[in-house]
Amino acid sequence: DAGVIQSPRHEVTEMGQEVTLRCKPISGHDYLFWYRQTMMRGLELLIYFNNNVPIDDSGMPEDRFSAKMPNASFSTLKIQPSEPRDSAVYFCASSFGDGGAFEQYFGPGTRLTVT
Amino acid sequence: GDSVTQMEGPVTLSEEAFLTINCTYTATGYPSLFWYVQYPGEGLQLLLKATKADDKGSNKGFEATYRKETTSFHLEKGSVQVSDSAVYFCALSDSLSGAQKLVFGQGTRLTINP
Repeated sequence: DAGVIQSPRHEVTEMGQEVTLRCKPISGHDYLFWYRQTMMRGLELLIYFNNNVPIDDSGMPEDRFSAKMPNASFSTLKIQPSEPRDSAVYFCASSFGDGGAFEQYFGPGTRLTVT
Repeated sequence: GDSVTQMEGPVTLSEEAFLTINCTYTATGYPSLFWYVQYPGEGLQLLLKATKADDKGSNKGFEATYRKETTSFHLEKGSVQVSDSAVYFCALSDSLSGAQKLVFGQGTRLTINP
């Protein structure tokens, strides 16, 4: 079975540009999570969805960040406009909420560099 | 709020050495506990888990026991290999609240030298 798929794997953009990261969760999973990983802050949860509905977006750093999940098999994380401090690895993860498993399956990540 | 504290790295060992990475937690409910591993250039992978007190999770020679009395979930391996070099994350989830999100520790970088 395919795991969590993220695209692109690497993104280099200039400050001020719009960036869109994409994620396809594992089929049948009803939870989707977006994380950001940096050396300084470690792994941070940005937002998560249940059945395509955002449940907790308290980790989204500011209004420049937005996330959508139009259907069960696709989610996007958008940064507009991008800034150099947004440079990080962004991970998408999914899980199946079967009453307590909580096991999250991570994608390979998108390495974003904003110059 | 809930939190996880791991021993600070980096940790460097020789092949076949014994490994312990300490993890302690603070939680208001009854969490499940996890160890995730991140190999270079990859996402996190679940290594093992324990869902209640005194449970022992094990996988690939790694073990960790859920100790409620000491609020700990230390990761151990009897004989490490070069291929175990990675970053290890301890995490918890609060099953009482029903929230599906995990709380991660800061990660411990492990390097095994041949």
